[in-house]
Amino acid sequence: GAVVSQHPSRVICKSGTSVKIECRSLDFQATTMFWYRQFPKQSLMLMATSNEGSKATYEQGVEKDKFLINHASLTLSTLTVTSAHPEDSSFYICSAPSPGDGNTEAFFGQGTRLTVV
Amino acid sequence: AQSVTQLDSQVPVFEEAPVELRCNYSSSVSVYLFWYVQYPNQGLQLLLKYLSGSTLVKGINGFEAEFNKSQTSFHLRKPSVHISDTAEYFCAVSADSGGYQKVTFGIGTKLQVIP
Repeated sequence: GAVVSQHPSRVICKSGTSVKIECRSLDFQATTMFWYRQFPKQSLMLMATSNEGSKATYEQGVEKDKFLINHASLTLSTLTVTSAHPEDSSFYICSAPSPGDGNTEAFFGQGTRLTVV
Repeated sequence: AQSVTQLDSQVPVFEEAPVELRCNYSSSVSVYLFWYVQYPNQGLQLLLKYLSGSTLVKGINGFEAEFNKSQTSFHLRKPSVHISDTAEYFCAVSADSGGYQKVTFGIGTKLQVIP
């Protein structure tokens, strides 16, 4: 199947700094990518939809100024957590719909474990 | 809008015993159904999916699931579990949302296989 690569897999940062997470579709183009957040012992919650060439669409309750999304090309979307705080510590996962007709499946990155100290 | 309910947050089972992880969904439109597995500190791996056709779907690692439209269920089963099946399992539904498939996940079920 298609491959989505996410980097870094783990990052520890100081409170107040910004962290960038990259999501790449390695062997296909993705005009749309999704960013999820997973709190401990909880499910994945969709944060935003990243659209190549246009602004991201954020889910209700997600601060767009805090979680900056840039979909710079057909194979790369980035999520920047700005002025990170300990409560932003979480597992972040990106996904891209399967290429071709129907977009029936989502391919997920490996996830990024963010720890803010 | 769609939603997914996984009734069991944790399921302990002895090795080589059968297991069923339950999933119910609700949606006002047609959906696709998925089961994903997540090993510790890793991303999601697709186990199986139901798009159309036969309601019994076979996936990787010996898992299968049955789509039951009348009961809006998509329970995951394995006849004999292995220690390596210990992981968290997520049921998910996707539905068309403005031209792309929006995926909604259940809360997850932790399968713990006891030796």
